[in-house]
Amino acid sequence: AQSVTQPDIHITVSEGASLELRCNYSYGATPYLFWYVQSPGQGLQLLLKYFSGDTLVQGIKGFEAEFKRSQSSFNLRKPSVHWSDAAEYFCAVVIKAAGNKLTFGGGTRVLVKP
Amino acid sequence: GAGVSQSPSNKVTEKGKDVELRCDPISGHTALYWYRQSLGQGLEFLIYFQGNSAPDKSGLPSDRFSAERTGGSVSTLTIQRTQQEDSAVYLCASSLRLALEDTQYFGPGTRLTVL
Repeated sequence: AQSVTQPDIHITVSEGASLELRCNYSYGATPYLFWYVQSPGQGLQLLLKYFSGDTLVQGIKGFEAEFKRSQSSFNLRKPSVHWSDAAEYFCAVVIKAAGNKLTFGGGTRVLVKP
Repeated sequence: GAGVSQSPSNKVTEKGKDVELRCDPISGHTALYWYRQSLGQGLEFLIYFQGNSAPDKSGLPSDRFSAERTGGSVSTLTIQRTQQEDSAVYLCASSLRLALEDTQYFGPGTRLTVL
């Protein structure tokens, strides 16, 4: 079955430290890949997306993600975390053959220590 | 500009009652989606609409769930005979077209609690 896995349910990071959130997918073909962020009481906001081309994608708020086909991964990174980055992060995929439906991973909640 | 809006923001109902959740997409967006976010199931797709085409209902969990989109704009998600397992946050999203490249913009959600 198609799936998106975010292995880390919670991550705690100190402000100013780097952050990496993992995402793995299992599909036969390369899916369209997304990272969304959900702040408390807010809707989902798109951080970045990957369709094709350069495997390193830049997004908003200083985030970037790297697509690695060999590892079926699309990990999200930020070099220096700010307190406002505390939120829940969701990796998602769209499979062209399945229609334009986002399939989400379970999410990773990020806590930022001062 | 205005984003996706949803109403009500919170809804508490008794088991067995029917509820209606409303979504106003971004003006000019032709595609509209409903998702559900619950503790047990995470974020899951329910249904999407694109223009006048038949909706994709493949994610609706049971026949108690239905949705319509009137005039190609506002959408209503209806849950009949609510059950406690229907308690969740219902999220609506819209995109310019039903194209994989088009970003889905999400509303703040409606938190449904079934007592």
